[in-house]
Amino acid sequence: DAKTTQPTSMDCAEGRAANLPCNHSTISGNEYVYWYRQIHSQGPQYIIHGLKNNETNEMASLIITEDRKSSTLILPHATLRDTAVYYCIVRVADYGGSQGNLIFGKGTKLSVKP
Amino acid sequence: GAVVSQHPSRVICKSGTSVKIECRSLDFQATTMFWYRQFPKQSLMLMATSNEGSKATYEQGVEKDKFLINHASLTLSTLTVTSAHPEDSSFYICSASKQVTRVTKNIQYFGAGTRLSVL
Repeated sequence: DAKTTQPTSMDCAEGRAANLPCNHSTISGNEYVYWYRQIHSQGPQYIIHGLKNNETNEMASLIITEDRKSSTLILPHATLRDTAVYYCIVRVADYGGSQGNLIFGKGTKLSVKP
Repeated sequence: GAVVSQHPSRVICKSGTSVKIECRSLDFQATTMFWYRQFPKQSLMLMATSNEGSKATYEQGVEKDKFLINHASLTLSTLTVTSAHPEDSSFYICSASKQVTRVTKNIQYFGAGTRLSVL
């Protein structure tokens, strides 16, 4: 699986959009970009994933560059409860077999401030 | 989304005892579940992959005789930490992969984690 690079930490004002970048310059054509977050002392929570098209769901938007070497997770209106470590992970989509494990890096610690 | 339940959320035990942690997929069947461990201020590290009806696959450096994994049904996997010692104190997290017809929709869902403290 390709490796990712994320900033160690970011701050965001409450109510503003939080834009979290991720570089994955060695991503392969069949690898997806997944985003998870982990609030302190809890298990990771799935946010969104995509291949090459931009994706949006009730939690966030995922913008993937045309060359797929980087992406940005956007939380449109950050709240204090969005304070967490955000992980960007790239891997092939699978049928849930042994290749399905996620490799977590250090992620970005997002602090939403009032 | 999907719900993965993990119990207990916290356990304190004496050195030398065994501890069992349960991971259940509540609203879907999971052929494969995963067990992770997370030490303070570190990221999640995969310990093993649990396959229903077969032996678990352990990552390098993880002792299979110490961390016993049983995946007896499509909704339950258990991790037993045998003869626990203080160095086994950690945050243990399970996950389950929800399979759907379209592979692109497969998503891994996580339990809330179990904090193990060995005295």
